Amino acid sequence: DQQVKQNSPSLSVQEGRISILNCDYTNSMFDYFLWYKKYPAEGPTFLISISSIKDKNEDGRFTVFLNKSAKHLSLHIVPSQPGDSAVYFCAARGGSNYKLTFGKGTLLTVNP
Amino acid sequence: NAGVTQTPKFQVLKTGQSMTLQCAQDMNHNSMYWYRQDPGMGLRLIYYSASEGTTDKGEVPNGYNVSRLNKREFSLRLESAAPSQTSVYFCATLIGGNYGYTFGSGTRLTVV
Repeated sequence: DQQVKQNSPSLSVQEGRISILNCDYTNSMFDYFLWYKKYPAEGPTFLISISSIKDKNEDGRFTVFLNKSAKHLSLHIVPSQPGDSAVYFCAARGGSNYKLTFGKGTLLTVNP
Repeated sequence: NAGVTQTPKFQVLKTGQSMTLQCAQDMNHNSMYWYRQDPGMGLRLIYYSASEGTTDKGEVPNGYNVSRLNKREFSLRLESAAPSQTSVYFCATLIGGNYGYTFGSGTRLTVV
C-alpha cells in the first residue's frame, strides 16, 4: 500500500518556466511533508518542508503548497534552471521516531 | 553530503556472501536510518535506530541485520546476499528542526 504517491515519473520544462511537481498521500496522520532533490551518484538532499498546519511555504525559487482536504502537495520551482534537473522525492512524516515515507520520485529535466 | 559517511561506495558480491555496510555521522543526532533505492521504487526504509542500543524494523527488513554500535555508527549487514538485494543503500540521520534527514552518498551494491 503506497502511502505517498508521485504519479509522474518524469517532467520536462524549458529554462525560465515554472516546474510543478505533484505528490498525493493517503495517511491523514502525516504531520510534516518534505521534498528532497537527488543528483546521480549522490545522496538525496533536503530542499523544503511544510507542516501539516500550513498551506504554503516558500524558500527562494521553491514553494510548496499543501491541500489537506485533497491530501495533495505540490512543489513549484520558478524560474526553472538547468541545474534543477534531478530526481525529486516527496516524503511524509508520520508516527514515532521521525520516520519518513518516500514517494517513487519524479525526474525533472530543465532544457536550456 | 557533509555529516554522514558511508563505506564502501561500491561493492560486488556473489550470491551467498556476507558483508557489512558502514555508516557514521558526526552530527550528534540520536536517530539513524537505512534506506534502499531501487529503480521505480523510491526510497524504502530497511531499519532505523532511535537511539544508541535500540533498533527497529522498517518497511523491507528481511535479509538484513543492523547494529547501532554507538551514537555515531549504524551498520547494516547482509548475512547471505541475494540478487534481489542489488540496490543503492543510503544511511541517514536527522537534520533536526525541520525534521529532515541528512543522507550519506550511498553504497552501490551488486549481487551476482
